[in-house]
Amino acid sequence: NAGVTQTPKFQVLKTGQSMTLQCAQDMNHEYMSWYRQDPGMGLRLIHYSVGAGITDQGEVPNGYNVSRSTTEDFPLRLLSAAPSQTSVYFCASRGILNSPLHFGNGTRLTVT
Amino acid sequence: DQQVKQNSPSLSVQEGRISILNCDYTNSMFDYFLWYKKYPAEGPTFLISISSIKDKNEDGRFTVFLNKSAKHLSLHIVPSQPGDSAVYFCAAPTQGGSEKLVFGKGTKLTVNP
Repeated sequence: NAGVTQTPKFQVLKTGQSMTLQCAQDMNHEYMSWYRQDPGMGLRLIHYSVGAGITDQGEVPNGYNVSRSTTEDFPLRLLSAAPSQTSVYFCASRGILNSPLHFGNGTRLTVT
Repeated sequence: DQQVKQNSPSLSVQEGRISILNCDYTNSMFDYFLWYKKYPAEGPTFLISISSIKDKNEDGRFTVFLNKSAKHLSLHIVPSQPGDSAVYFCAAPTQGGSEKLVFGKGTKLTVNP
């Protein structure tokens, strides 16, 4: 059981480039979300989805797009990367309401 | 405006002693709290939770205490082990259910052999 899988593990981008961070889960979870972790800031919610075709904004959504075409996948898109998006990104999923989140191992992104 | 605050960035304890990690919250409507543990280069993993209808929840060496009047919770680890060395995050859902989970900044625990 792989749980939540994130790819890539590391990525370096130049300012203005675009990329997609991939997230897949094999637990048939309806809820998926993206967080970013910055030094001294804890984890902050970017976007989340409560099911295929449904997405909503979190605390820090600007500069990021998401879509949810399948239950398993929840990609995060950076259309024009900025140095302020340098961070570690975590994807998470959960099953029933109020059950704990299962996190992937993160993608470390550097934007130069 | 931080709704969940962990005011101690780090804590160091000796193996076998008790570790106490603290968390304060500002929103009296919060009714469910979770603790996550994070090792370097890994994602956070769920540790223990507590509902506001309780003031204590215990799971093996880990106990969480909730003081609603003080808007304060604490995680006790007894006895502490070197493998407990990690960053601990306190978290709470901002609305009904856990659609939006807010996290504290974390406390780095170091357990010395």
